[in-house]
Amino acid sequence: LAKTTQPISMDSYEGQEVNITCSHNNIATNDYITWYQQFPSQGPRFIIQGYKTKVTNEVASLFIPADRKSSTLSLPRVSLSDTAVYYCLVVGRGYNKLIFGAGTRLAVHP
Amino acid sequence: DTAVSQTPKYLVTQMGNDKSIKCEQNLGHDTMYWYKQDSKKFLKIMFSYNNKELIINETVPNRFSPKSPDKAHLNLHINSLELGDSAVYFCASSQGASVNQETQYFGPGTRLLVL
Repeated sequence: LAKTTQPISMDSYEGQEVNITCSHNNIATNDYITWYQQFPSQGPRFIIQGYKTKVTNEVASLFIPADRKSSTLSLPRVSLSDTAVYYCLVVGRGYNKLIFGAGTRLAVHP
Repeated sequence: DTAVSQTPKYLVTQMGNDKSIKCEQNLGHDTMYWYKQDSKKFLKIMFSYNNKELIINETVPNRFSPKSPDKAHLNLHINSLELGDSAVYFCASSQGASVNQETQYFGPGTRLLVL
């Protein structure tokens, strides 16, 4: 199971771009990289998933370098409502030990 | 419409009791999961289940047992509750069973407190 490392917390201001990097040095060939967002008292919510290079959807972009040992979630022009915990998840086919980790607590300030 | 729902939202009980948490998904998904989120916010999978296979995280005590009456429901039964079982339990579902690629949809969580 690929262990992930993320910053514990980040601060930003409304309108700024936020980049959260996740390290996953022992990622395996079959592993995908998925990011989830969790608000207080709610379950995690899917944001974006990628395997390599760049993926973009209406919410975020995900940048994955060629060696796939890290990934960066990019949130454009954050708002106060983006204050949440963001989890980087790397999962392979043997998922019975799937652990999300502690995530990155993003605080967006006015 | 709630995609993944759980009941109850809060559960306070005494040590030694047996309790159940219910989960239902109306997404037509084939696979359902139970997770435990502890006080440090680590979210760990406990079980995954589809109509073909139950996969158990071997670290989960056998006091915990999933029960699935049909594809849309996966309930979690806990025997002889212990203080360390206090946590938030999340149910989730996904379309298929290839979890490395699947998007999981989570319920709102059940906050269990064992006294």
